[in-house]
Amino acid sequence: EPEVTQTPSHQVTQMGQEVILRCVPISNHLYFYWYRQILGQKVEFLVSFYNNEISEKSEIFDDQFSVERPDGSNFTLKIRSTKLEDSAMYFCASSESSGRGLQETQYFGPGTRLLVL
Amino acid sequence: AQKVTQAQTEISVVEKEDVTLDCVYETRDTTYYLFWYKQPPSGELVFLIRRNSFDEQNEISGRYSWNFQKSTSSFNFTITASQVVDSAVYFCALRGSGNTGKLIFGQGTTLQVKP
Repeated sequence: EPEVTQTPSHQVTQMGQEVILRCVPISNHLYFYWYRQILGQKVEFLVSFYNNEISEKSEIFDDQFSVERPDGSNFTLKIRSTKLEDSAMYFCASSESSGRGLQETQYFGPGTRLLVL
Repeated sequence: AQKVTQAQTEISVVEKEDVTLDCVYETRDTTYYLFWYKQPPSGELVFLIRRNSFDEQNEISGRYSWNFQKSTSSFNFTITASQVVDSAVYFCALRGSGNTGKLIFGQGTTLQVKP
């Protein structure tokens, strides 16, 4: 069964460093998302991406964040200068569509646990 | 504004008991989608069910069942004859009619099933 994969599973970095989190969405999916979950809290939407551009971003997704689909398979989240409060689990998700079609479901990757020291 | 409320923070049951997880949502959209995801201790998010706002039929899948009631804006999830493997955090989520696909999650309910 196709699944979303994410690398690395864990990342430890120093405050101020840049990190890139990588995701490989399900191959026939066209819509990609990043969410984050601070330990013990709910899952929060960061950004949605379609047709090589951002569809929507949350207030959390400020100028230090960026997303990219550098090739036909990878989808990345870059944090330019990490802060302590960026420590969280970051989930990538993909869906076949996001309109009123039948394939609305977002499938999530296993997450990358980011720890900023 | 859209919002999902899971008022039960933690529930603890003994194996084989039935348990219902509550979810109440708020949205002004006439078309929307509701989801339940399971987050086991390993941390991943596992999709359980999707329901659209036009379909109020309840659904049963094995020991799982879902009760969607638009009149009370609720989408509750029942596990029958709970098992230890059901221990996890369960999230209810809402997606509105916009085309960006953004999911709004509730706070989650931690379910502990004791042997």
